[in-house]
Amino acid sequence: DADVTQTPRNRITKTGKRIMLECSQTKGHDRMYWYRQDPGLGLRLIYYSFDVKDINKGEISDGYSVSRQAQAKFSLSLESAIPNQTALYFCATSVIKGALGVSYNEQFFGPGTRLTVL
Amino acid sequence: GDSVTQMEGPVTLSEEAFLTINCTYTATGYPSLFWYVQYPGEGLQLLLKATKADDKGSNKGFEATYRKETTSFHLEKGSVQVSDSAVYFCALSENAGNNRKLIWGLGTSLAVNP
Repeated sequence: DADVTQTPRNRITKTGKRIMLECSQTKGHDRMYWYRQDPGLGLRLIYYSFDVKDINKGEISDGYSVSRQAQAKFSLSLESAIPNQTALYFCATSVIKGALGVSYNEQFFGPGTRLTVL
Repeated sequence: GDSVTQMEGPVTLSEEAFLTINCTYTATGYPSLFWYVQYPGEGLQLLLKATKADDKGSNKGFEATYRKETTSFHLEKGSVQVSDSAVYFCALSENAGNNRKLIWGLGTSLAVNP
């Protein structure tokens, strides 16, 4: 069973529509993230959350909003979709690992949602 | 701010060829370094990591050594297979502080031909 799941996996919508992408995790991690991936631009962080009451903007939050409904659920909304929001969207969780004074942040990704805005 | 630069792709190799994907970084502190891999149609997954200078991360025949003097973390594999075709991302994360977001390179696409 997948530890980080995303729904839907594919979505085609029209300009101006409101869209919600959902992410659920069974890893028990407090930290969750939303990224978008575009060809040639790598991964860009949209929003992140370190716990249910903590929501932070990433580098490209304009046009997006999020909701952290529970530790296990983190949803991304496009209030009024536009064509340049066509991309592959990834949800991720993370945990701090390590010991003896050296620790690191390991992220775990969902399978992605391919969104097309016409 | 911190940044990661990796070689542009696509990289196309024949099966059993030697692979190097270059990655260099800039950081104000002492970061951990990572290589993630994205197979077609999937999300990213951690391939290997190194948390301090001179550490060597290894997994699935891939290796990368954390070189502080050259601020590099190049990915290598001695003999690639068709199944290694994927996009490879270099990333860093600071080792201290509560934030520790990952800083990503742009990714390098690798295609291995039989």
